[in-house]
Amino acid sequence: DQQVKQNSPSLSVQEGRISILNCDYTNSMFDYFLWYKKYPAEGPTFLISISSIKDKNEDGRFTVFLNKSAKHLSLHIVPSQPGDSAVYFCAARGILTGGGNKLTFGTGTQLKVEL
Amino acid sequence: DVKVTQSSRYLVKRTGEKVFLECVQDMDHENMFWYRQDPGLGLRLIYFSYDVKMKEKGDIPEGYSVSREKKERFSLILESASTNQTSMYLCASSLAGLVGETQYFGPGTRLLVL
Repeated sequence: DQQVKQNSPSLSVQEGRISILNCDYTNSMFDYFLWYKKYPAEGPTFLISISSIKDKNEDGRFTVFLNKSAKHLSLHIVPSQPGDSAVYFCAARGILTGGGNKLTFGTGTQLKVEL
Repeated sequence: DVKVTQSSRYLVKRTGEKVFLECVQDMDHENMFWYRQDPGLGLRLIYFSYDVKMKEKGDIPEGYSVSREKKERFSLILESASTNQTSMYLCASSLAGLVGETQYFGPGTRLLVL
């Protein structure tokens, strides 16, 4: 039962354009959402997060949007740069389900930013 | 900077061998986690620990056990390695409590079981 889904395994965009990565979830008890970026042969690194009481969080070129009614979040990268090419994982935390700091990860989206 | 290190980057083992994967973090984090990453399946939680001597099963604990004798060290044990345990194994750590939502990952160990 995949509670966090990233339906696009890959995405290709041109440098300078916007990258939009999507994530859907099924568990309405998730209260915090995060995006991680992973380069080959490295561990994932934290990118940006959003609490369920907000609908937008921005950090430089990265913005995460949360639509609770649709159980959908998205990561926008503007402008996209070649160094952004990586696998992006969304993750969700469920405190009220006893999850504590346990995160449920999506399957990942491979972003390729082309020159 | 938080540093999470894993004992090996690459390992090749034979079916039936007992395998130890070691993880050490240097930031005095209470929480530690073991995941495996497989194509099309993302990161799946195997086991985690909130404190020394404590362990909790994650989503796919079968075939694995863990040990946390010291706060900074969390070991993953494959009691009898099987080919379906060929994977990338990632260790992570985080602070305790609700503010500790950010997990810091090690570089991963790619395990091949023949």
